Amino acid sequence: DAGVIQSPRHEVTEMGQEVTLRCKPISGHNSLFWYRQTMMRGLELLIYFNNNVPIDDSGMPEDRFSAKMPNASFSTLKIQPSEPRDSAVYFCASSPDRGTEAFFGQGTRLTVV
Amino acid sequence: GIQVEQSPPDLILQEGANSTLRCNFSDSVNNLQWFHQNPWGQLINLFYIPSGTKQNVRLSATTVATERYSLLYISSSQTTDSGVYFCAVGYNFNKFYFGSGTKLNVKP
Repeated sequence: DAGVIQSPRHEVTEMGQEVTLRCKPISGHNSLFWYRQTMMRGLELLIYFNNNVPIDDSGMPEDRFSAKMPNASFSTLKIQPSEPRDSAVYFCASSPDRGTEAFFGQGTRLTVV
Repeated sequence: GIQVEQSPPDLILQEGANSTLRCNFSDSVNNLQWFHQNPWGQLINLFYIPSGTKQNVRLSATTVATERYSLLYISSSQTTDSGVYFCAVGYNFNKFYFGSGTKLNVKP
């Protein structure tokens, strides 16, 4: 299996623009997570889905962030409008089932200028 | 949420040395993983170990869930072991909380 695939790998955008990050989980996995990594806050869980349904979005920082999982093989994390403080590495992860081992994608490095 | 403390925060080893990294957590967990983040930022799975002991070549891990800690043991360290080691714990299935990591530098 190719593992969790994220795109783009790098994104540079101007403040105020909309940013969409994409994730393809490992085939057959039914849990998906979005994490954000910064120097100040480390790795934070933003939201997780089980069977395409958002289970916990309490980590989403504010209304500018939204996430969707329209089917079992695709998820998006959208930031609108983006701000410089959103600059971070965003990871997507998936796991076969609840309570099992999670596997991470290579991350998207977002820079908002 | 669960508090996860990792120690030491920084570690420098001479190639070939052994070391133990520790992860303490504040509450009962039913999920625990160790990751290595390499210098390119990739998070690599090392162990899925909610309890017990596992070994993989030069690495081994032990989790004592009742005492709320896990240990990662690195033997015969190599320069390629450099990076940041994270412990992530969870309860309520899949809601992982990450520690702040141990930054390891193995010198040749």
